[in-house]
Amino acid sequence: SYVVTQPPSVSVAPGKTARITCGGSDIGDYSVRWYQQKPGQVPVLVIYFDSVRPSGIPERFSGSNSGNTATLTISGVEAGDEADYYCQMWESTTDHVVFGGGTRLTVL
Amino acid sequence: EELLVESGGGSVQPGGSLRLSCAASGFHLGDNYIYWVRQAPGKGLECIGRSRNKLYGYATDYAASVKGRFTISRDDSKNSVSLQMNRLKTADTAVYYCASLTTVTGAFDIWGQGTKVTVSS
Repeated sequence: SYVVTQPPSVSVAPGKTARITCGGSDIGDYSVRWYQQKPGQVPVLVIYFDSVRPSGIPERFSGSNSGNTATLTISGVEAGDEADYYCQMWESTTDHVVFGGGTRLTVL
Repeated sequence: EELLVESGGGSVQPGGSLRLSCAASGFHLGDNYIYWVRQAPGKGLECIGRSRNKLYGYATDYAASVKGRFTISRDDSKNSVSLQMNRLKTADTAVYYCASLTTVTGAFDIWGQGTKVTVSS
C-alpha cells in the first residue's frame, strides 16, 4: 500500500505563508487531495486534483505536486486557519484510500 | 442540500458489537462510493472500508485491521449504508465517519457528522 508522510507540525506567524508537505514515492505522478480539520469538526476538502479549490475555499489556499512532494500552501495565514491538515491519495484501480498522518498548523 | 447523517455510536465492552448507520438526504446514496473513516482520539484519519456504488454491485473492501470483524451493507429502501462491527477491541475506539467519494475527483466531498464509539471494560 502506498505510504505518504507529513510533518507533524508547522508553525507560522499571522499574515505569513504556511507550506505543508506530503511526501511519497513519485507522488507527482498521482493526484493529491487536501483536507482541513478543525478541533471537534468534520474534515473539509480544500484542494483536489493537486491544486483545484472547491467552491467556497479562499484563494489563499493553493496546492502543487511534483516529484516526491505535494505541497499545500496557505498565503496570508489567519488565526482561523489553525487546524490539522491531511493529504489523501486514491488508487482508482483498487479504490484504496490513503491518508497522510496529518499536520497540525499553529498560528503563532 | 446533500447530507449524510450518522447514528448508532455508543459504549460497548471488548468483544461486543455495534451497528452504525449512515443515511443520505438530498441525493441517491446508491450512486456513490461510500467509505467509513475513523479517527482514534488524538490520532489521524484511517480508512477502514468502502462500498462501491450500485453500478459495481456495492462491492466492499476492508482494511486489514477490521477485516473479518466489520461488514458494510446497503439498504436502498432507506437510502442508507451501515457498518456492522463485531468482536470489538479497545483499539477500535474512535469517531467513525461515513463519507461519500466522488470518483471523478477521488475526493471525499460529503461527510457524516461522525459518531463516537468507545470500547472499554
